[in-house]
Amino acid sequence: EAGVAQSPRYKIIEKRQSVAFWCNPISGHATLYWYQQILGQGPKLLIQFQNNGVVDDSQLPKDRFSAERLKGVDSTLKIQPAKLEDSAVYLCASSAGTASYNEQFFGPGTRLTVL
Amino acid sequence: SQQGEEDPQALSIQEGENATMNCSYKTSINNLQWYRQNSGRGLVHLILIRSNEREKHSGRLRVTLDTSKKSSSLLITASRAADTASYFCATDANTGKLIFGQGTTLQVKP
Repeated sequence: EAGVAQSPRYKIIEKRQSVAFWCNPISGHATLYWYQQILGQGPKLLIQFQNNGVVDDSQLPKDRFSAERLKGVDSTLKIQPAKLEDSAVYLCASSAGTASYNEQFFGPGTRLTVL
Repeated sequence: SQQGEEDPQALSIQEGENATMNCSYKTSINNLQWYRQNSGRGLVHLILIRSNEREKHSGRLRVTLDTSKKSSSLLITASRAADTASYFCATDANTGKLIFGQGTTLQVKP
């Protein structure tokens, strides 16, 4: 079974530039998550989708971050403009359902460095 | 906000020894989960324990949960070099979403 795919794996940009990350979840998984993991910390949920609808985006900095999941499959996360503190690994995960007891499967992440 | 706090932050042991790491949390939970993260396989779900369970086993892993103390422990028995990783607890504080702690870094020396 193919896992969660993410691209790119690494990205280096300068502050105030924009960047986009892509995620392809496990086939059939209705729920998709984007997490931000700053070095030395645990992942922090940014946004959760159920199919193509947003379930929770309470911790998404909406002035600069946006995410979409058109057609309820692939998802993109965008940062515009980027700040130094956005340097982190951005993890995408998917699960079969929205309840927290549904196992979440994580992709390899995109490591973003903002200079 | 940080719900789970792992202890210790770092742990170094010899292969074959047992490793114990702890997680404390602040509010009541539906379930608590443990994840492992290393450079090879990324973040992987290890085990879930529900709030009405006290102990759970999976292979060399043993998880306990004490809701009265709001704490959990993860025991890895007969550790191997391949167990070297960061271990995170994640809690669902009745919100449906997981909040991860800062993790324990485990090094197993061959």
